[in-house]
Amino acid sequence: GAVVSQHPSRVICKSGTSVKIECRSLDFQATTMFWYRQFPKQSLMLMATSNEGSKATYEQGVEKDKFLINHASLTLSTLTVTSAHPEDSSFYICSAKKDTSNTEAFFGQGTRLTVV
Amino acid sequence: DAKTTQPPSMDCAEGRAANLPCNHSTISGNEYVYWYRQIHSQGPQYIIHGLKNNETNEMASLIITEDRKSSTLILPHATLRDTAVYYCIVRAFGNEKLTFGTGTRLTIIP
Repeated sequence: GAVVSQHPSRVICKSGTSVKIECRSLDFQATTMFWYRQFPKQSLMLMATSNEGSKATYEQGVEKDKFLINHASLTLSTLTVTSAHPEDSSFYICSAKKDTSNTEAFFGQGTRLTVV
Repeated sequence: DAKTTQPPSMDCAEGRAANLPCNHSTISGNEYVYWYRQIHSQGPQYIIHGLKNNETNEMASLIITEDRKSSTLILPHATLRDTAVYYCIVRAFGNEKLTFGTGTRLTIIP
């Protein structure tokens, strides 16, 4: 299967600072990437859909000014958590699709964010 | 997309077949059934998907009932590494999003 890599895998930051998480498709070009958030013992919640070269589409209730998404190339999308607070501590996961057909999505290994 | 219902947890003995059920009674004609699993503290892993025919790959088999209102994921010879949360997801053709439910926590017992 295709490989999607996230970096960093773990990050601890101070409250009020910003954190950037990278998601790369290593062996394919991803027209669409997705960002999810997962709190402990809960399921994945879709935050936004990112298409290369255009603005991300955010799910209801997700603050676009707080969670900045950039998809500048077909192999890289970034999620920046701005002015992080302890309640933003979570497991952030990206996924990518090769194309718009009914193929499966491939997931990164996730990033554990802890805001102290 | 149609909603799915899965048992919250299941146990299976190592070496036996693990059969994970999923109900999707409101599925419509253009919706596929996908299965993913998530091992603790990792990103989800794709397992298999199908529309109406049974499917098999190197990881698992997917059995979809004739009316398509339910399906079963079969792991033929479960190992300890198959312990994970298994998600059954229904997605319409052309819909890019995957909406995760609560899944089934499968524990393989030595």
